[in-house]
Amino acid sequence: NAGVTQTPKFRILKIGQSMTLQCTQDMNHNYMYWYRQDPGMGLKLIYYSVGAGITDKGEVPNGYNVSRSTTEDFPLRLELAAPSQTSVYFCASSTGQGGNTQYFGPGTRLTVL
Amino acid sequence: AQKVTQAQTEISVVEKEDVTLDCVYETRDTTYYLFWYKQPPSGELVFLIRRNSFDEQNEISGRYSWNFQKSTSSFNFTITASQVVDSAVYFCALSEAGRDDKIIFGKGTRLHILP
Repeated sequence: NAGVTQTPKFRILKIGQSMTLQCTQDMNHNYMYWYRQDPGMGLKLIYYSVGAGITDKGEVPNGYNVSRSTTEDFPLRLELAAPSQTSVYFCASSTGQGGNTQYFGPGTRLTVL
Repeated sequence: AQKVTQAQTEISVVEKEDVTLDCVYETRDTTYYLFWYKQPPSGELVFLIRRNSFDEQNEISGRYSWNFQKSTSSFNFTITASQVVDSAVYFCALSEAGRDDKIIFGKGTRLHILP
């Protein structure tokens, strides 16, 4: 099993550009999550989804959008990139059954200049 | 409100020493889950353990052990006979039942194992 995969691994954006971070899981998990990790910090939840067609905001949603058209995919879109969005982005998934473990992708390192 | 505190920002020990990473949590729920994740220098997040609030038994897995004490709201992690490969950032995390599996992470403890 590939688990959770993320593309790209690295990306440099200019201020104001947009991009989509891709996340795919092959574990048939209903729940998926996007986190950002700033240097020296823990992870902060951006958006999450409890199933196809259902998304909700996390702790730091501003500047991001998500969609969940299939169980497998949960893309994260940055519309107008800002330097404050320079971070490492992690996607995760879980079955969602009462404290079930979240499994993480390898991360995308994004730099906005 | 839920919160996870890892007071130790950075720890350095010499290889083969034992080391304990502290984690203190806050929650009003009676049903919750605690986790430890490891983030090695390569950057990925590796799940280590999950504990539910009704199971206070300590757990041992090889050189790793976890001490869960509800009385002090702590879930500490001990590495016995540390090895250089244990060098990583370790995150403690909390998930409350009925909250869509959302996890609150501590800020992490960076562990350096010196050869």
